[in-house]
Amino acid sequence: DIQMTQSPSTLSASIGDRVTITCRASQSISSRLAWYQQKPGKAPNLLIYKASTLEDGVPSRFSGSGSGTEFTLTVSSLQPDDFATYYCQQYYTYSYTFGQGTKLEIK
Amino acid sequence: EVHLLESGGGLVQPGGSLRLSCAASGFTFSSYAMSWVRQAPGKGLEWVSSISGSGDNTYYADSVKGRFTISSDTSKSTLYLEMNTLSVDDTAVYYCAKDYPFGGVISGYFDYWGQGTLVTVSS
Repeated sequence: DIQMTQSPSTLSASIGDRVTITCRASQSISSRLAWYQQKPGKAPNLLIYKASTLEDGVPSRFSGSGSGTEFTLTVSSLQPDDFATYYCQQYYTYSYTFGQGTKLEIK
Repeated sequence: EVHLLESGGGLVQPGGSLRLSCAASGFTFSSYAMSWVRQAPGKGLEWVSSISGSGDNTYYADSVKGRFTISSDTSKSTLYLEMNTLSVDDTAVYYCAKDYPFGGVISGYFDYWGQGTLVTVSS
């Protein structure tokens, strides 16, 4: 299976900050990467697919980049609603695999 | 509006069986692949299984292969997950998820999710 490793595991930031989360794949996955946001007790919500394509309705302060084995999710100016856990997911091959998650906390 | 509603979770003993259902509405069920993703308490997400819109193609995580069976009934717009030989490691919230549109073929990422159903395996 392809292993997905996110860093950091926890990120403390303030409203208005620019933050970046990194996701690394154990082998090349081209651009077959998605990012999700999950809030406590809720289902995940798709933010980005194909590494950099923003899902309809997702605020433009979210952006994704990367290809091959290294990817990033950036939030340009944190809003109160953005404090949540973020997961990357590869869909290059079965079994699809997720990163372990990055919890974004209020500083 | 797309809506996915899981049911069938509960408490089961190790070695037991359970069948989960996911009732879908708001889209043409047979035109989209569907998947199950689970999340153990306090842990991350784990893909479990996917099925194409036609039901002809199914895929499983190694951790459930041979024990779980995914199926769908297009006449009822319902997705199922038959789970056998359950172990404590299968304890999780199980989410039903709709694959991103890809002509009924499995895309591998998910644009709509249900609220989840909790499966607890314990003696």
